[in-house]
Amino acid sequence: GQNIDQPTEMTATEGAIVQINCTYQTSGFNGLFWYQQHAGEAPTFLSYNVLDGLEEKGRFSSFLSRSKGYSYLLLKELQMKDSASYLCAATDSNYQLIWGAGTKLIIKP
Amino acid sequence: EAQVTQNPRYLITVTGKKLTVTCSQNMNHEYMSWYRQDPGLGLRQIYYSMNVEVTDKGDVPEGYKVSRKEKRNFPLILESPSPNQTSLYFCASSPGGDIHTDTQYFGPGTRLTVL
Repeated sequence: GQNIDQPTEMTATEGAIVQINCTYQTSGFNGLFWYQQHAGEAPTFLSYNVLDGLEEKGRFSSFLSRSKGYSYLLLKELQMKDSASYLCAATDSNYQLIWGAGTKLIIKP
Repeated sequence: EAQVTQNPRYLITVTGKKLTVTCSQNMNHEYMSWYRQDPGLGLRQIYYSMNVEVTDKGDVPEGYKVSRKEKRNFPLILESPSPNQTSLYFCASSPGGDIHTDTQYFGPGTRLTVL
């Protein structure tokens, strides 16, 4: 079956770096998304990777390894406002999005 | 302002009482979708629409209906709600040029409780 795995919860300190991992098993693969979702709010787009490698966008970077079925989201210089859930979603061969349950990131001062 | 709007934002209802959750986008997007989000589970797609008068089932369509008579609107209809449809519902849209590699824009969510 198709599956996305990511940790349920992570804790990090303000100013530090955190890496949120995501592994996927899909029928075919056409890209991977990361979305951010603050509590009680809608998800908002962070990144999209379809080729292997690292994509950097300011404090946030996303990495993809297609051969390993693995991605991570790297957040640098953490700020309190980064406290949110981070959703990983992979696109399968039918271009359907398979969503992970999300990783709740708690930032402590 | 480019946005996706949903109404109502919160709804408490009783089993069997028909309800409609409206969704509207002002970005001229072709693709629209409904999701439900439950604790410990990922977003699950209910229905999607690739354009006017074109709708298709997602992963969890049972108990739901949709229509797409105009490009901007995509209402979600629960003909006979049941308690297992208590959930947080999101409407989303995307331009549709490359449907599933497009960024999706989400509405603010509708929290539905069925008693």
